[in-house]
Amino acid sequence: EPEVTQTPSHQVTQMGQEVILRCVPISNHLYFYWYRQILGQKVEFLVSFYNNEISEKSEIFDDQFSVERPDGSNFTLKIRSTKLEDSAMYFCASVSSQPGGYTFGSGTRLTVV
Amino acid sequence: AQSVTQLGSHVSVSEGALVLLRCNYSSSVPPYLFWYVQYPNQGLQLLLKYTSAATLVKGINGFEAEFKKSETSFHLTKPSAHMSDAAEYFCAVSEANRDDKIIFGKGTRLHILP
Repeated sequence: EPEVTQTPSHQVTQMGQEVILRCVPISNHLYFYWYRQILGQKVEFLVSFYNNEISEKSEIFDDQFSVERPDGSNFTLKIRSTKLEDSAMYFCASVSSQPGGYTFGSGTRLTVV
Repeated sequence: AQSVTQLGSHVSVSEGALVLLRCNYSSSVPPYLFWYVQYPNQGLQLLLKYTSAATLVKGINGFEAEFKKSETSFHLTKPSAHMSDAAEYFCAVSEANRDDKIIFGKGTRLHILP
């Protein structure tokens, strides 16, 4: 079964540093998402991406965040200057043409120290 | 705006007993509904989903859920709990469009008592 692949699985970074989280969505999917889960809390929507542009973003997705699909396969989330409160699990997802056809990646645990 | 309410942040059941995890949703348009399970330090695994076909949905690991529009509910059940069912369970909703974002509930941690 096709998978959404996220790398790295765990990243530790110093506060103020830039990080890029990478995702390879399923190849024939057209809609892509990033979600965040702070430890012990619920999963929160960050941003959706379609046709090479952001289609919707949440209040969390401020100017420190950006997304892009640089080469037609990877889908990246960049945090420009990390803060301690950015420490979380970040999930990528892509959607097929099937109703409710979401597939989530296994996540990247980001730890900001 | 859509939302999901999960009643009970922690639920404990004895091994072999019925599991019932409650979820109520709010949506101004026909919804898609989901249940996900998350084991410690792992990702999200889809248990089952409702996408406007049959109202009783069967999923993996013996779980099922029933969509009740009149009650705006989508409760998750399993007839007999196993120790391996101990995990965090998330109910989620999206609009019935294939590209809409998913909104998650706060989760219910299921504890299985020996």
